[in-house]
Amino acid sequence: KNEVEQSPQNLTAQEGEFITINCSYSVGISALHWLQQHPGGGIVSLFMLSSGKKKHGRLIATINIQEKHSSLHITASHPRDSAVYICAVSPGADGLTFGKGTHLIIQP
Amino acid sequence: EAGVVQSPRYKIIEKKQPVAFWCNPISGHNTLYWYLQNLGQGPELLIRYENEEAVDDSQLPKDRFSAERLKGVDSTLKIQPAELGDSAVYLCASSLDGVGYTFGSGTRLTVV
Repeated sequence: KNEVEQSPQNLTAQEGEFITINCSYSVGISALHWLQQHPGGGIVSLFMLSSGKKKHGRLIATINIQEKHSSLHITASHPRDSAVYICAVSPGADGLTFGKGTHLIIQP
Repeated sequence: EAGVVQSPRYKIIEKKQPVAFWCNPISGHNTLYWYLQNLGQGPELLIRYENEEAVDDSQLPKDRFSAERLKGVDSTLKIQPAELGDSAVYLCASSLDGVGYTFGSGTRLTVV
């Protein structure tokens, strides 16, 4: 079974700071997902990666397949970015294996 | 497109009562997943369907939980009888052969 570890578990930062959340996994995968979950809300898919780097607005996700590691970056962070960010990996059509999430708070 | 639709959003029931959750996946998505998410934890897979076939239900507590996806589209997840420890968020997701994972908003169940 794939083990997915995220760090940090909790992160509080000031508005405008550059944020990095890390994810490592133990077994080879076909894709890695970064997900966002607001309190009381559903899960929104931010990125699906199988290699390299993707960018969407102020969000950047990178993955290193050889090192089994991925990072999610947020530039110019804003209080509305406050949420739980979850890393999840998939071997394919099987269900995702999730990390425990990183609880991010951006203070104004 | 509506996305993955789940209902109800919230449900409060007394222990030992039955409860059912409904999920309508993305049109054309053949794979449907039910996940359980406890507070402060990542979701855990309960059951995975490919079309109408349950291909992985190894984590589904079959003594009280059941699920169906009769026509390979909508799905229902049932708990009978509910226990206090079943209080959690139940998430439905769908994909097309593992691509395009989309999650519903979840059903928050409180058993009192």
